[in-house]
Amino acid sequence: QQKVQQSPESLSVPEGGMASLNCTSSDRNFQYFWWYRQHSGEGPKALMSIFSDGDKKEGRFTAHLNKASLHVSLHIRDSQPSDSALYFCAASANSGTYQRFGTGTKLQVVP
Amino acid sequence: NSKVIQTPRYLVKGQGQKAKMRCIPEKGHPVVFWYQQNKNNEFKFLINFQNQEVLQQIDMTEKRFSAECPSNSPCSLEIQSSEAGDSALYLCASSLTGANTEVFFGKGTRLTVV
Repeated sequence: QQKVQQSPESLSVPEGGMASLNCTSSDRNFQYFWWYRQHSGEGPKALMSIFSDGDKKEGRFTAHLNKASLHVSLHIRDSQPSDSALYFCAASANSGTYQRFGTGTKLQVVP
Repeated sequence: NSKVIQTPRYLVKGQGQKAKMRCIPEKGHPVVFWYQQNKNNEFKFLINFQNQEVLQQIDMTEKRFSAECPSNSPCSLEIQSSEAGDSALYLCASSLTGANTEVFFGKGTRLTVV
């Protein structure tokens, strides 16, 4: 039973465009969120975390968290071909010992 | 760049054989995680350690899987009797204080059971 769902499964955006990824936790205990990016042949690399309601911006990446609905989104502006990768949302509990990963979104940025 | 080192990068074993992979966490990170990422890119948490002590592990790792993080030696994950369904990318990660701080992943060991 997957407790962290992501959508869409795959996404194609033009270079310079905006990519929007979504993630929802079905377990109210898991409400601390991370976004990871994984390029082919590599391990995941953390992009950013978000623990409080609202927006958090880091460079071209903006995350938005709604704790009431346990929904988090990631928006990538001015997408670059190098952004093409798998993106994972991960959630942890307040005193969590591990992060629970979502189903992933495959992003392709087309030049 | 992550400094979590995993060896070997690729491992091929026959069914029933033992498979062992190693991980050197980032220096100064006492918390180590092992995840399995299958061919559909789904992650499964296996086990984690704080220093040499197990923090949490799933039921699967209590049977054919064993793991340890001895002092002054690499951490390791071993599958006693490999099955075809164990074919996956095994990812080791480390962090300073646990799941709510940044977790750094290695490149993984890709296990193929033939």
